[in-house]
Amino acid sequence: DAGVTQSPTHLIKTRGQHVTLRCSPISGHKSVSWYQQVLGQGPQFIFQYYEKEERGRGNFPDRFSARQFPNYSSELNVNALLLGDSALYLCASSLLAGTSGANVLTFGAGSRLTVL
Amino acid sequence: KQEVTQIPAALSVPEGENLVLNCSFTDSAIYNLQWFRQDPGKGLTSLLLIQSSQREQTSGRLNASLDKSSGRSTLYIAASQPGDSATYLCAVGSGGGADGLTFGKGTHLIIQP
Repeated sequence: DAGVTQSPTHLIKTRGQHVTLRCSPISGHKSVSWYQQVLGQGPQFIFQYYEKEERGRGNFPDRFSARQFPNYSSELNVNALLLGDSALYLCASSLLAGTSGANVLTFGAGSRLTVL
Repeated sequence: KQEVTQIPAALSVPEGENLVLNCSFTDSAIYNLQWFRQDPGKGLTSLLLIQSSQREQTSGRLNASLDKSSGRSTLYIAASQPGDSATYLCAVGSGGGADGLTFGKGTHLIIQP
């Protein structure tokens, strides 16, 4: 079984540009979450989607947006890129929504974004 | 607001030693706690998940304990091996879904051959 797949693996953008990151969850998983990991820090929660609806949003500006498609894959979009957006963007999938109980999150390898 | 702290930030030990990594959290109203492993430049691998009603979980040489009342968890690694070298991250689920997981900054572990 394929795990969580993310694309692209690496990308370089300049300030002010837009970026789209993609995530395919494990087959059968209906929830996708996005996290940002800046070098030397733990991941920070950006969004959670379940059954194509936004279920949670972290403390990120409106430049960050996401959506989930009928096949449960997801996109994370970031507009007007800043130098501080340089990070590893991680996608996680799970069977259920939320972070409660036995709902294990399985993470992808991430997309490393560099903003120059 | 939930905050997660991991001590120590870095640890280097000779192969074969048993070791303990520590995690503390400020709000004891959690649903679960997960330990992850991260290799350099890679994603996260889930090691153990402890539900709020549980006290510990074991997988192979790994044992994780949870004390909700004191806001602490420990990850015990027995008979360490060079392949255990990685960053270990602790994360708590305390929002029921709306908030996502709250992570610590991790413990960078090096096992010397």
